Parts: sequence; structure tokens; C-alpha cells
Amino acid sequence: AQRVTQPEKLLSVFKGAPVELKCNYSYSGSPELFWYVQYSRQRLQLLLRHISRESIKGFTADLNKGETSFHLKKPFAQEEDSAMYYCALSNYGQNFVFGPGTRLSVLP
Amino acid sequence: EPEVTQTPSHQVTQMGQEVILRCVPISNHLYFYWYRQILGQKVEFLVSFYNNEISEKSEIFDDQFSVERPDGSNFTLKIRSTKLEDSAMYFCASNRANEQYFGPGTRLTVT
Repeated sequence: AQRVTQPEKLLSVFKGAPVELKCNYSYSGSPELFWYVQYSRQRLQLLLRHISRESIKGFTADLNKGETSFHLKKPFAQEEDSAMYYCALSNYGQNFVFGPGTRLSVLP
Repeated sequence: EPEVTQTPSHQVTQMGQEVILRCVPISNHLYFYWYRQILGQKVEFLVSFYNNEISEKSEIFDDQFSVERPDGSNFTLKIRSTKLEDSAMYFCASNRANEQYFGPGTRLTVT
């Protein structure tokens, strides 16, 4: 069965500190992995996807198939990064499965 | 930049009543989705829709739910007889190149 886990419900870091939001998945095939972000009172929006291998707003995520992980990292957190972050997987055109989300709070 | 829109932003209804949540996906997208997020919980997939039919649905999407694309622009979710536990945010999304574009959501409150 497809499943996405995010072990931390809340992660608090100070501004300028590194941040890592963990994501693990279980899926029998080769899914596509995503990170979505939801800023306060805004809609869910795509942050990045593993196939594009881009860095968006300083965030990167590497797909580790051996560990079935897709952790999101940023070397220096900013206050405007405070938001809910959802890891998700897709089996290419069918449904998307979202993790429970991690609330990132960046303290001044 | 085109966006997915949803109406209403907030719907209050009494238990047992029918509700219709409306969405206008991005015009050149072909896949459409409904998700639900109960307060404090994760985003849950309800249903996907392609080529005027349901392509996949979750266990949540039982006989009380239905979706329709009545014209070339709207995509609706109907809940036939609402229950208290249907209270949630409902998000519509449309998809292009396997990227989900979400609407702002409709908050449904069942009293």
C-alpha cells in the first residue's frame, strides 16, 4: 500500500539555522515524490518535485530509494519559511498520497 | 497566472442536507481531483476524474459522494446527505504534467 510518513508534527528552529523535514514513503513501484507547502491562509502549492532536481527558495530534497526517503532541507531557515509542509507521492497520473504534514516554525 | 477557483469559501449546512461544492479547474488541464482535510488532520484523497469519468476513488468516497463536470469549466462535488463527520476543508485540484494545482478550498461545516 502507498503510504507517506512525516514523523514530526512540529519543527521549530531559529532563523539562520539549518532545517530538515523528514519524509519516508512506502510504495511498490517507482513513484514521483513532491513537497507541497501551505503558508498561513493560502492554498497548497508545489514547492519541488524529485524529477526536476531544482532548488526552490533555497530548499532541496534528494530521493533516496534505498532508504525510501525524500527529506527536505534548507541550510539557513528564514522566518518566511514558516508554514505547513506536506510530502506527497504520485503513481504518475493516478491519485496523490499526502503525508500528515509538518508545521515548520522559524523563530526570530 | 491561471488558478483553480472554488466556491463557496465557506458552507454551513444542517446534517442530512445535500451540498454541492464547486470548482473551476485551470482550463487546459485534463485531470481533476477532490481532497478533504479534516481540521488538524492530513490531506486525504477522495477522487480523481479524467475524460468525464472517475478514474480512481478512495474508501472515503462512498455512495453519498458524487462528482460531475456539467459543462466545460465546472467540476462539482456533491454530498447527498451530509453527516457531522463530513465537516472539513475540501480542496479541488487540477493536474498538468503530474503537477497538482490546488484551489483555495471550501470549508464545509455540518451542524
